[in-house]
Amino acid sequence: DGGITQSPKYLFRKEGQNVTLSCEQNLNHDAMYWYRQDPGQGLRLIYYSQIVNDFQKGDIAEGYSVSREKKESFPLTVTSAQKNPTAFYLCASSIGLAQSSYNEQFFGPGTRLTVL
Amino acid sequence: AQKVTQAQTEISVVEKEDVTLDCVYETRDTTYYLFWYKQPPSGELVFLIRRNSFDEQNEISGRYSWNFQKSTSSFNFTITASQVVDSAVYFCALISNGPGRRALTFGSGTRLQVQP
Repeated sequence: DGGITQSPKYLFRKEGQNVTLSCEQNLNHDAMYWYRQDPGQGLRLIYYSQIVNDFQKGDIAEGYSVSREKKESFPLTVTSAQKNPTAFYLCASSIGLAQSSYNEQFFGPGTRLTVL
Repeated sequence: AQKVTQAQTEISVVEKEDVTLDCVYETRDTTYYLFWYKQPPSGELVFLIRRNSFDEQNEISGRYSWNFQKSTSSFNFTITASQVVDSAVYFCALISNGPGRRALTFGSGTRLQVQP
């Protein structure tokens, strides 16, 4: 089945630790995205990547890092520099802005990160 | 800059009532796309509809209908004869076709609770 997988579903981290959230897609999409969702709020863009080996900062990139070494994978690392990392993290992918003007995004099931 | 406003934070209705979720957007671009997504308690975002800025025809899909009005920059979503399964958070989103476009801009969401 084609889709986006995120792991783990729940993640607990101690303060000062870096953690990496996994995102994999088998939709053959060029573009991938990471969003953060806080309770009662909408999604805010952390990072996005339009093509392998390239990525751009979104609106709230501070304290996060990403890599895009493979088309199907876009892991997100939450570093100790992120002051308030407890949130729900959603990964998405799309065909890509070069190929599609409307950029419909497909979302994974999300990872809920809690800092203890 | 782009902005999406969903002024209704939470709506509660009784099953079989009709309900309208409001969405107002801002963009300077003449070509853009509007989306609605549903987020059930599981957390994954489910795509509902996409509409481009040149198509102001209203759309109906089963119990769902959408009213797009460029004159008021609104893209409202109506659920007819609501059901308990409609309980979720609904997000309106926008992407424009201008330079510098990156990813969807989301509203803050409207939580819909349908009581049996």
